[in-house]
Amino acid sequence: QQQVKQSPQSLIVQKGGIPIINCAYENTAFDYFPWYQQFPGKGPALLIAIRPDVSEKKEGRFTISFNKSAKQFSLHIMDSQPGDSATYFCAAKGETSGSRLTFGEGTQLTVNP
Amino acid sequence: GAGVSQTPSNKVTEKGKYVELRCDPISGHTALYWYRQSLGQGPEFLIYFQGTGAADDSGLPNDRFFAVRPEGSVSTLKIQRTERGDSAVYLCASSLGYRVEAFFGQGTRLTVV
Repeated sequence: QQQVKQSPQSLIVQKGGIPIINCAYENTAFDYFPWYQQFPGKGPALLIAIRPDVSEKKEGRFTISFNKSAKQFSLHIMDSQPGDSATYFCAAKGETSGSRLTFGEGTQLTVNP
Repeated sequence: GAGVSQTPSNKVTEKGKYVELRCDPISGHTALYWYRQSLGQGPEFLIYFQGTGAADDSGLPNDRFFAVRPEGSVSTLKIQRTERGDSAVYLCASSLGYRVEAFFGQGTRLTVV
């Protein structure tokens, strides 16, 4: 059962644009929401994460917006660069899901020069 | 210090053969996870170790899959009687504890022919 739905599947923006990737979850027990960046041939790398007690978290050019009532969260990349071209995964974890991270299906981002 | 190390990086095996995939976690990390990532998908949880014991193996797809972590450090994922459907990238991750961020290795790409 897919518990974290991610969209869009792919996204193309111009350099300097602000790509936005959205995720929706079903399990209200989730309490940790990380975003991972993955380059071809590499493992996922943690970018930024948020807990549901805040509505927004910013680290450098990356911002997570979190809407607890809608059970949605999104990643915004400010001033995007060609080097940001990668696959991005949202994920979620909570007490009742044990230790496991449940991942979205991924968004392939291309930032054109 | 070194990150999570996985060997081999690539493995090609014939259908029906037995394979072992190795994960060397970050030194001092007590929690270790195995995930499987099929092409174009997000990682799917397989098993979680806390120390030497498998605290959650509910993601293992069937009894052909088994994992060990005998000394609480290195872990081996073992797959018996491999099938073509087992072809995927097998990712290992480790963390200091249950509720902190996990760091992923680069993965082992398994191809069953």
